[in-house]
Amino acid sequence: DAGVTQSPTHLIKTRGQQVTLRCSPKSGHDTVSWYQQALGQGPQFIFQYYEEEERQRGNFPDRFSGHQFPNYSSELNVNALLLGDSALYLCASSQGQGAVYGYTFGSGTRLTVV
Amino acid sequence: QKEVEQNSGPLSVPEGAIASLNCTYSDRGSQSFFWYRQYSGKSPELIMSIYSNGDKEDGRFTAQLNKASQYVSLLIRDSQPSDSATYLCAVGYSSASKIIFGSGTRLSIRP
Repeated sequence: DAGVTQSPTHLIKTRGQQVTLRCSPKSGHDTVSWYQQALGQGPQFIFQYYEEEERQRGNFPDRFSGHQFPNYSSELNVNALLLGDSALYLCASSQGQGAVYGYTFGSGTRLTVV
Repeated sequence: QKEVEQNSGPLSVPEGAIASLNCTYSDRGSQSFFWYRQYSGKSPELIMSIYSNGDKEDGRFTAQLNKASQYVSLLIRDSQPSDSATYLCAVGYSSASKIIFGSGTRLSIRP
């Protein structure tokens, strides 16, 4: 049973560039949430996708955008990268109301902006 | 005010002792509560969930919830070196369909 898969695992980008991160949810899950985790901090909620629509959004600028595809996979796009965007980006999947049953996390994408 | 607060630690506990981790939350509408374990360089792993007041036990782990005090705790009995990790408290708001995490408590089990 495949868990949550994320790609790539590591990425180095230059300030001002754009990046796309990808996530495939666990089999049977239809909801994808994205989190940013800076070093030494807890995961910060970016947004959540369900039925190909953004359902909830955290306190992140419009430079952060996303998409969910009919097969429930998802992308996170970040434009005009800043040094402060360097972090571990976590994708979490759930079935239906994930806030009730908790999330399953992927292994993350480590983004470094130089 | 942070929505979910934890003591960042580090919390150092001798092997075989009980480790006690605490968390408070601000929104009384919170409905689901979780403890995640995160090893260095890895992603969070769900270890406990609790939804009603009282205690919930699973092996060496016990989660405690007190909604009146807006307080959640995790007890780890017979602590092992493999329990050394960061423990994240998380709170779910089903109406908002999102889970909010605390900043985590770093736990170190010393032999």
